[in-house]
Amino acid sequence: KQEVTQIPAALSVPEGENLVLNCSFTDSAIYNLQWFRQDPGKGLTSLLLIQSSQREQTSGRLNASLDKSSGRSTLYIAASQPGDSATYLCAPFPNQGGKLIFGQGTELSVKP
Amino acid sequence: DTAVSQTPKYLVTQMGNDKSIKCEQNLGHDTMYWYKQDSKKFLKIMFSYNNKELIINETVPNRFSPKSPDKAHLNLHINSLELGDSAVYFCASSQLAGVSYEQYFGPGTRLTVT
Repeated sequence: KQEVTQIPAALSVPEGENLVLNCSFTDSAIYNLQWFRQDPGKGLTSLLLIQSSQREQTSGRLNASLDKSSGRSTLYIAASQPGDSATYLCAPFPNQGGKLIFGQGTELSVKP
Repeated sequence: DTAVSQTPKYLVTQMGNDKSIKCEQNLGHDTMYWYKQDSKKFLKIMFSYNNKELIINETVPNRFSPKSPDKAHLNLHINSLELGDSAVYFCASSQLAGVSYEQYFGPGTRLTVT
């Protein structure tokens, strides 16, 4: 049974800092892994999707890496901004298809 | 040009009532999902439909009944609502026949049962 853990649960940083959010998963038989952002009271926005054959994926100031064999993914945010404040969720998608399994998320606060 | 839309956005009702939440996607995807996010913000899948056929049915009370009239719509009907049903319900869609299976989420429906 896939279990997903995200560390830290909450993070507060000053504007401009580079930061890393961590995601670990217990079952490495995944097809891909998605990182999402959730703003308070809003839905989920897909940030990055990494296929199991990829090591990393980049979009603007965001870079996600995947080490499938060790069951780890990281989301790197460069030059953080107050607008980055949100909860970040990771979710691996299994090889056999079906459902995303979500971590509890990392609540990020970027102070001006 | 909303990709995944849900109605209503907010739903407040009393215990014992029956209510429905509607979801529509205009992405041409073949698979749709319902997720529940509880008060601790934990997000968990409830159901999934592929081309109008149920493919995932998690351990959900049978008071919850999804219905997919076509592959662009997936509605969720809840009978005899209980206090514990209060949560945010998210609809999502993806293309299982494609390469990435990337899921796109709706804005959510906040259900409050009093």
